[in-house]
Formats: sequence, C-alpha cells, structure tokens
Amino acid sequence: SQQGEEDPQALSIQEGENATMNCSYKTSINNLQWYRQNSGRGLVHLILIRSNEREKHSGRLRVTLDTSKKSSSLLITASRAADTASYFCATDSTGTASKLTFGTGTRLQVTL
Amino acid sequence: DVKVTQSSRYLVKRTGEKVFLECVQDMDHENMFWYRQDPGLGLRLIYFSYDVKMKEKGDIPEGYSVSREKKERFSLILESASTNQTSMYLCASSRPGQGVETQYFGPGTRLLVL
Repeated sequence: SQQGEEDPQALSIQEGENATMNCSYKTSINNLQWYRQNSGRGLVHLILIRSNEREKHSGRLRVTLDTSKKSSSLLITASRAADTASYFCATDSTGTASKLTFGTGTRLQVTL
Repeated sequence: DVKVTQSSRYLVKRTGEKVFLECVQDMDHENMFWYRQDPGLGLRLIYFSYDVKMKEKGDIPEGYSVSREKKERFSLILESASTNQTSMYLCASSRPGQGVETQYFGPGTRLLVL
C-alpha cells in the first residue's frame, strides 16, 4: 500500500507564483524525501528532511515536516516553467532505511 | 555523478513472451530496486536486492523474478508477460548507511505487452 499520499493530485500555476504540495504518511519514519520526475523520465532526488528536523531549505525549495500530524509540505518559490514535473514524497520506516515508500505524486504545471 | 542505466527506453512484447529488463549502476551501490509506475498508483516496489545474489520481495512481486549476479547489475524478469504488466518500469540504486539513503533512478523502460 502507498504510505505517502500527496495533495493536490494536480496543480496549475503561473510562472513566478509559489507552489505548495502536501504529503501525508501513516507510520513512524526516519526521514522523508522529495523527488521530482520530468515527464517520461526517472525520478531525481530533491531534498531530504530527517524526523528530528522541522524545516529545511535548498535554493527555491522549502520543506517542512510535522511528525505529530505525519505530514510534510514542499514549497517551490518563484516557480519557473522548467519546474513543470511530478513531485513525489518518499518515506522510510523506522528500522528499514533501505526501502522507501512513494506517494502517488503531485503533477505541477507552470505556465508562462 | 551516479549513473543508472536501463537497457531499453521502450519495449513492445507479446503475451506469453519472456522479458528481461536490465539495469546497471556505476557507483558501487549495494542496494538496487525495481519499481513499476502506473497512473494514479505511484511507484510500487516489485523486488529489491541488498547484495549480490540476495533479493527480497517488494509489495507486488507476483509475475516477476529478479537476478543479481554482479553488484552493478540487477535484472527484472517477466517469465510470461501479460497485458496487465504493461507499465513504466524504473530501476534505482542506493548506498546503505546511517539511516539516510537517497535512491538514484534510471530513465525508465516503458513496456507494452500486446
């Protein structure tokens, strides 16, 4: 079963706007990761946040984690057309770091 | 840069055929994974391997088998392809350690079973 569930399933914004995607999960985790997938391609790792962290930044990306609510959000600021892609959260389970469980993803469309 | 390559980008096979999907990584990673990706279902783990000749079932192993004879190569085998195995197949690798493991993905193989 899919541990991570993203919402919204699809998001359409204009260039320059911010995009926020959310992920919820069910079990305790060591860390949560966000990946990006361009259409028809493999996934690329974006950012990782550990279970003892609440917020992390990387360039235009900001990730938050609320372990009490078992949820995370990914914010992309000042979006660009090149940010158009699908975004997935992935969680491991405590004690099984090797296996990741991926959510169903959010499709982001950034228009000019 | 880590490089994960998959033998084919697109593949068309007939029902009942035996299908081999090959994956090679060049970063000496111990862990390798096979996923399938279907619309609305996200990525689902088929099998993974944490060492040569070692394998573990993922969430949906039925109809698939795997082989890992060398550290850098992980093969997914469809013994008798069926139309419900039409999907995008993604291979990934990672290095275990310290509870933080990022996976590196190949470009994917889009398989159509007729």
